Amino acid sequence: QSVLTQPPSVSGAPGQRVTISCTGSSSNIGAGYDVHWYQQFPGTAPKLLISGDSNRPSGVPDRFSGSKSGISASLAISGLQADDEAHYYCQSYDSSLSGSVFGGGTMLTVL
Amino acid sequence: QVQLQESGPGLVKPSETLSLTCTVSGDSIDNYYWNWIRQSAGKGLEWIGWIGRIYSREISTYSPSLKSRVTMSIDTSKNQLSLNLFSVTAADTAVYYCARSTSWSSPDFDYWGQGTLVTVSS
Repeated sequence: QSVLTQPPSVSGAPGQRVTISCTGSSSNIGAGYDVHWYQQFPGTAPKLLISGDSNRPSGVPDRFSGSKSGISASLAISGLQADDEAHYYCQSYDSSLSGSVFGGGTMLTVL
Repeated sequence: QVQLQESGPGLVKPSETLSLTCTVSGDSIDNYYWNWIRQSAGKGLEWIGWIGRIYSREISTYSPSLKSRVTMSIDTSKNQLSLNLFSVTAADTAVYYCARSTSWSSPDFDYWGQGTLVTVSS
């Protein structure tokens, strides 16, 4: 049971836009702590995709965007491409646990 | 650029100690926070804790769920950090990653090692 809740899977056709939600609580996202997003392909380490709610590290396409409101955050991917098919994880800080927490991950399938 | 490489035994017996090392290259280990994160098939990503040498002080924080079984250390002369997890069980079987963050509050993990699989089995 992850502290942050994500849908197990989402899907979309090439070119479409999909969103992945991440729901927390008043001790993490709702407390204003930053939300970060990671992309992970099978057999590889997670890669930082979105930092500080909505900032893209250098090299991340602007098709990827992040937002946050209340106790939830979202990752949006527009212009879906076949190579976007991966697992996506949200992460934040939790004051009651005094440490980082992750979502359970969402598998994106490009139809 | 910054590179992290985990190393250690891939097989540990139940009740024994899991010991891993992460070697950092491309930057100094000082003034960053170095995290251990694990990923098991059943539980997704789990943060274990961080250690850092910040302005010459060594500080660390561990996940409450693992705090009683974890120690971390840092060797700035070798640019290495280490993880010890005591009294392991099959539930500790996972891929273990080291990852860098630049703050302790609301940190993101900007550089990751490739990960090392540790299996707990007799």
